[in-house]
Amino acid sequence: AQKVTQAQTEISVVEKEDVTLDCVYETRDTTYYLFWYKQPPSGELVFLIRRNSFDEQNEISGRYSWNFQKSTSSFNFTITASQVVDSAVYFCALGTAANQAGTALIFGKGTTLSVSS
Amino acid sequence: GAGVSQSPSNKVTEKGKDVELRCDPISGHTALYWYRQRLGQGLEFLIYFQGNSAPDKSGLPSDRFSAERTGESVSTLTIQRTQQEDSAVYLCASSSGTPWRETQYFGPGTRLLVL
Repeated sequence: AQKVTQAQTEISVVEKEDVTLDCVYETRDTTYYLFWYKQPPSGELVFLIRRNSFDEQNEISGRYSWNFQKSTSSFNFTITASQVVDSAVYFCALGTAANQAGTALIFGKGTTLSVSS
Repeated sequence: GAGVSQSPSNKVTEKGKDVELRCDPISGHTALYWYRQRLGQGLEFLIYFQGNSAPDKSGLPSDRFSAERTGESVSTLTIQRTQQEDSAVYLCASSSGTPWRETQYFGPGTRLLVL
């Protein structure tokens, strides 16, 4: 079965702190895709990153970085020097062909990040 | 516009009434998805379209829910005889190519409140 676990329900940090959001996935497929989305208070999900299972290189985009480790089935997301505008719910998602008929991505339950000034 | 749009933004209705929610996907995107998000919860998959056919309706919670899509364009989600538990944000997303490989881009959602 396919599953995405975001064990951290809520995280609170003070501005400028670094914070890591955990994502652990389960799938038997060797080909799959992982995604992170941000949902700010306005409600619209914003795409952050897409990574396929054959690319284990870590990625950095400004203050954001992602650590993909197949050995531990994890795709963790780190925000460096957090800012108040980073306050949002962050969702990790898994896309795999095992979902027949192309069923939509499997989402984790989300991690609510609160950054205070 | 360049993104996914949804209308109405907000809808308040009385229990028992029918509602229709609309989604305009990104131009050229063949795949379209509907999700439901209850307050403080994650995303619940409802239905997926490839073109105007729906190969996966497994997430529709009851026969009160239905959806259709015109070609590779607009989709409508209809909820008949609404119940209070239908209150949620209904999110639409679209993508190109093979659904599970491609990035889904989301609209702003329709906030439905059933009184």
